[in-house]
Amino acid sequence: EAGVTQFPSHSVIEKGQTVTLRCDPISGHDNLYWYRRVMGKEIKFLLHFVKESKQDESGMPNNRFLAERTGGTYSTLKVQPAELEDSGVYFCASSQGMRGTGNTIYFGEGSWLTVV
Amino acid sequence: DQQVKQNSPSLSVQEGRISILNCDYTNSMFDYFLWYKKYPAEGPTFLISISSIKDKNEDGRFTVFLNKSAKHLSLHIVPSQPGDSAVYFCAARTPYNQGGKLIFGQGTELSVKP
Repeated sequence: EAGVTQFPSHSVIEKGQTVTLRCDPISGHDNLYWYRRVMGKEIKFLLHFVKESKQDESGMPNNRFLAERTGGTYSTLKVQPAELEDSGVYFCASSQGMRGTGNTIYFGEGSWLTVV
Repeated sequence: DQQVKQNSPSLSVQEGRISILNCDYTNSMFDYFLWYKKYPAEGPTFLISISSIKDKNEDGRFTVFLNKSAKHLSLHIVPSQPGDSAVYFCAARTPYNQGGKLIFGQGTELSVKP
């Protein structure tokens, strides 16, 4: 079974440009999360989809970030325009349901974004 | 406001000995606690979890202890192996009615020396 896949794995863009990150969750997982780790600090929550609906977007830094999950399958996270402080690793994660033992959340390998 | 804290950024242990990684939290409403292991250039990998109604969960060489009164949990690795060298993140899950999202600590880098 394929895990959570993210594309691109690495991206270097100039300040002011736009970048779109894509995440394909594990098949059948209704929950999709975006997290970010900046400068070796803690992994911070950005937002949570349940199917195609945004359940919680309280972690989104500002309106330069836009996440979508059309059809409840893959998700995109767009940063426009990118700023230097947006550099970091963007992790996507998915899980099957909300209840149950642990309800393990599985992470992708991350999309490394460098804004120069 | 850091709700989950790992106060030790690094830990070095001799192969075969016990590794103890600690984590403190502030929100008594968290319902699950999880440990993730992360190698460089990879995503976090789930290791072990514990429900807030338990005080211990064991899986092979890994045991997680939860002390709710102290709002503290720890991960024990016995015996430690060089392949265990990685960054370990403690995470706490918010209740279902608060979105069920994970709140992570800053991570502890474990180095197991042969």
